[in-house]
Amino acid sequence: EVQLVESGGGLVQPGGSLRLSCAASGFTFSSDWMSWVRQTPGKGLEWVANIKEDGSEKYYVDSVKGRFTISRDNARNSLYLQMNNLRAEDTAVYYCATPRSSSFDYWGQGTLVTVSS
Amino acid sequence: DVVMTQSPLSLPVTLGQPASISCRSSQSLVHSDGNTYLSWFQQRPGQSPRRLIYRVSNRDSGVPDRFSGSGSGTDFTLKISRVEAEDVGVYYCMQGTHWPTWTFGQGTKVEIK
Repeated sequence: EVQLVESGGGLVQPGGSLRLSCAASGFTFSSDWMSWVRQTPGKGLEWVANIKEDGSEKYYVDSVKGRFTISRDNARNSLYLQMNNLRAEDTAVYYCATPRSSSFDYWGQGTLVTVSS
Repeated sequence: DVVMTQSPLSLPVTLGQPASISCRSSQSLVHSDGNTYLSWFQQRPGQSPRRLIYRVSNRDSGVPDRFSGSGSGTDFTLKISRVEAEDVGVYYCMQGTHWPTWTFGQGTKVEIK
């Protein structure tokens, strides 16, 4: 059974940093692209970033380029999202997900990030 | 970016009756490989999104056959043949054709009258 478990969310001040983690199990993690998707009350669901199986390719939504970094550790079956210079509009539930067949077939339970002073 | 527009945004339905949600894209979703990458997701209250349909009309494993997807080009529809209480939630369409910026619709809230 595929399981994706996010952690690392919390309350952070504007301009601060946070690192999210996603522990994957139940599939061959090193053979799959991985993604981060976020959900805000105002903008709904938004794809944030993708990373290739070996980490050699990474893509980001324009609004986080230069501030967020997606990475992975295939030995630990783990996905990460380093978020720097956080803004109020980054407040969201962040999900890790598996992008297969040009869609997201598995999602984690999400971790809440709140950016507020 | 491709804009996905859903309608209606709120859909009150009677148990046992059909329901239909429309999704339109600002650009054709036909990929250069000939496939159309339009998916539908269900998000029940307090839960993560769950994929129901991929590539327009393919149901995921375990999805009841009362859910069906159709459409082509820029116009797509999700239909529930007979709404059950467990179908309450928000439904999203998503395009996966225009890599890497996959985009979602605003969501349609299905509730029981």
